[in-house]
This record gives sequence, C-alpha cells and structure tokens, in this order.
Amino acid sequence: QKEVEQDPGPLSVPEGAIVSLNCTYSNSAFQYFMWYRQYSRKGPELLMYTYSSGNKEDGRFTAQVDKSSKYISLFIRDSQPSDSATYLCAACSGNTGKLIFGQGTTLQVKP
Amino acid sequence: EAQVTQNPRYLITVTGKKLTVTCSQNMNHEYMSWYRQDPGLGLRQIYYSMNVEVTDKGDVPEGYKVSRKEKRNFPLILESPSPNQTSLYFCASGGAGNSPLHFGNGTRLTVT
Repeated sequence: QKEVEQDPGPLSVPEGAIVSLNCTYSNSAFQYFMWYRQYSRKGPELLMYTYSSGNKEDGRFTAQVDKSSKYISLFIRDSQPSDSATYLCAACSGNTGKLIFGQGTTLQVKP
Repeated sequence: EAQVTQNPRYLITVTGKKLTVTCSQNMNHEYMSWYRQDPGLGLRQIYYSMNVEVTDKGDVPEGYKVSRKEKRNFPLILESPSPNQTSLYFCASGGAGNSPLHFGNGTRLTVT
C-alpha cells in the first residue's frame, strides 16, 4: 500500500464548477500536508501548505486535512481553464527530509 | 529570481554510458532532493541531502549516485544507465525544517 494514495483521474469539469481533489494516507506520523500544481512540461509548484488538521484558504483554493480519517482535500471554487493541470498531494512527518507524494490527479477545466 | 536550475532538459543516451544531470539552486537552501516521475507512480524520491556532505537514500536509490560538495549544487549521477531509468527527473530544494520545496523544470531522460 502506498503511503499516500490519490485517484489519478482524469477529472474533467466545466468552467465555474467547484472541484474537489482528494488523497488518503496511511502514516499516522504525517503532520505536514501540501498540494502542488504541475503544468505540462513544468516542475511542480507549491499551491497550499498546512500543518496538522484543519482548513486553510487562499483565494479560490481551500485545503482541508482530517487526521482522524487520514484524508486530505483540495477544493477549487469557480474553476478556470487556467486551473487545468496535474495536482499532487504530499505529506511528511517532520524534519526527516522525506516528502511522500500521491500519484497526482489530472484536471481539465473546459471553457 | 529564485530558482532551481537543472541541465540538460532533455537527454537521450545508450545503456551503460555514464551521465550526470546537474542541479543548482540560488536560494541558499540547505535541503536538496532528486525525484523521478513515472506515469501511474507519481513522484518518487531517489536521494536527498539535508546539508553539505550529508546525503541519504530515498525510496528508489538503486542505480543512482549523488554528491553535495557545496550548498548550491546537487548533481545526479547514473554510472551505468539502463532502460528502466528512462523517466522524468526533478531536482528540488527547500529551507530548514519542513519548508515547502521548490522544483526545477525537469530533465527528460531516455535510455535506449
């Protein structure tokens, strides 16, 4: 079993839709959770960074962590064609240097 | 501009011919890491370095070597590449603790 699991999709939605991207993880020691966005032919770039459980909002993006169910979510409101990319969740337990990524979900937002 | 620079962007080579992929960062980050990205498998860590002269294996280190002689550079070395090392490689760097990673734009390696 992978430590971080993510449905690869692809996920296709119309412009303006609310998008929900999800990951599950198995390691109870994970405390830091991140979402990266990766455009084609580019490296991943950090989108959201959260510590422990709770919500974090940044513009149209909301990251949610539920440690009791080991569930990580990213919500995108009013999705735009420019949001079309691969979204990767990631988690780590502490100052170990080991950041574990999910497989990534490919999102397409159609105009 | 803060960035992680990898070279080359594309590389085609033959089995057994030693190669090096360079990685340099200008953010004075202590932490650097190499990942490979394969369809259906996501990003997998090859090696990482917490600081100069300190390196450690990630999840898929077989067939790779790294060195960290200076803070800004972290080259990835394939002594004898094989076709199963055909992949997209990313270098990343980060500050102390659990600071988010900054990624380079990738090196697409094909080994025939």
